[in-house]
Amino acid sequence: EAGVTQFPSHSVIEKGQTVTLRCDPISGHDNLYWYRRVMGKEIKFLLHFVKESKQDESGMPNNRFLAERTGGTYSTLKVQPAELEDSGVYFCASSPRGLAGPQHFGDGTRLSIL
Amino acid sequence: AQSVTQPDIHITVSEGASLELRCNYSYGATPYLFWYVQSPGQGLQLLLKYFSGDTLVQGIKGFEAEFKRSQSSFNLRKPSVHWSDAAEYFCAVGGSGTYKYIFGTGTRLKVLA
Repeated sequence: EAGVTQFPSHSVIEKGQTVTLRCDPISGHDNLYWYRRVMGKEIKFLLHFVKESKQDESGMPNNRFLAERTGGTYSTLKVQPAELEDSGVYFCASSPRGLAGPQHFGDGTRLSIL
Repeated sequence: AQSVTQPDIHITVSEGASLELRCNYSYGATPYLFWYVQSPGQGLQLLLKYFSGDTLVQGIKGFEAEFKRSQSSFNLRKPSVHWSDAAEYFCAVGGSGTYKYIFGTGTRLKVLA
């Protein structure tokens, strides 16, 4: 089966611009997660979808970040306007229904804000 | 507070040598524990997981980890390291009642030929 895919793999934008990251989870996985790793630090949870519903968005840094999962399939994470501190690697993960399933991660999107 | 500590930021070993990567966690409930590996240019790949039962778990690529509740540790081991094991390794904890994983800061492994 295809794994979690993320697009783009790398994005370079200027401060103040808008960027949209996309994640396609493993087919049939109800749970979708976004995480972020700022350079040199730990990978931190941003939010969790079950199908199209946000279950936990406690890790979202501020209201410049907007995540959507229309139709319960792919998800987008939009940053508007981007700030320098938003640079990092954004990971998406998915898991099947239920808590026991481990999360399967994509390759990440490296976001660089100039 | 819930946290994961990987005390070694960098580790260098010779090919064929044994390896142990340390992971300590602080978690208020029954932990689910994971080790992920990120090879250069790749995403996070699950090496192994512990939910319950036997405290010694086997994973892919010849890795194993041992859960020690009394020490709040989940160290990763491999008896003989291969050059292809050079990567960054992440320990993570989750648990019953939450889908959120808490990660350590990672340990970067370098393998000498």
